[in-house]
Amino acid sequence: DAGITQSPRYKITETGRQVTLMCHQTWSHSYMFWYRQDLGHGLRLIYYSAAADITDKGEVPDGYVVSRSKTENFPLTLESATRSQTSVYFCATQSGVGANVLTFGAGSRLTVL
Amino acid sequence: QKEVEQNSGPLSVPEGAIASLNCTYSDRGSQSFFWYRQYSGKSPELIMSIYSNGDKEDGRFTAQLNKASQYVSLLIRDSQPSDSATYLCAVNARGNKLVFGAGTILRVKS
Repeated sequence: DAGITQSPRYKITETGRQVTLMCHQTWSHSYMFWYRQDLGHGLRLIYYSAAADITDKGEVPDGYVVSRSKTENFPLTLESATRSQTSVYFCATQSGVGANVLTFGAGSRLTVL
Repeated sequence: QKEVEQNSGPLSVPEGAIASLNCTYSDRGSQSFFWYRQYSGKSPELIMSIYSNGDKEDGRFTAQLNKASQYVSLLIRDSQPSDSATYLCAVNARGNKLVFGAGTILRVKS
């Protein structure tokens, strides 16, 4: 199916474990983004990527690692999960139809115990 | 000061009324402004974009932009219970990034 797919949709893990959230798009959009959403904070940008092999930090990058070896995939890794990383994570692509228009995936709800 | 500020609400309006949602931003260089709607447990979806001063209408929705006052608003006419959601204001920042406000919860009472 065309679109943007996130996996897993739900994940429970323990403090200190490594977790990878996957994001896959079928549109070949250049820009991809990772946001986290917490109550009272709205959406905060973690990392973004302008193209394959080009990534940059957003507002809250600490504790996260990203890669973009292929245009269609943009995985987000928590190298050693902490309770403060319990959140809902959204991946998004920029559609290119008008500046900065984002289309979001369904989200991944992560709980760190 | 947050880059994008919204009243968290909840804003409660009766069915059929006009809902007015407001947003202020700090970066005078911002050129693109968006309103996203997010239902509980779902992802944000774009409902309006505006790039120049003035009003932009799309069905029951009107976005208003005043760059001099650094102010963006969204009006929803003839509000329906299905409009109950969180509305996120987003503004472009340097480096092709969008900065989001914390969102305003809208409740439309039937």
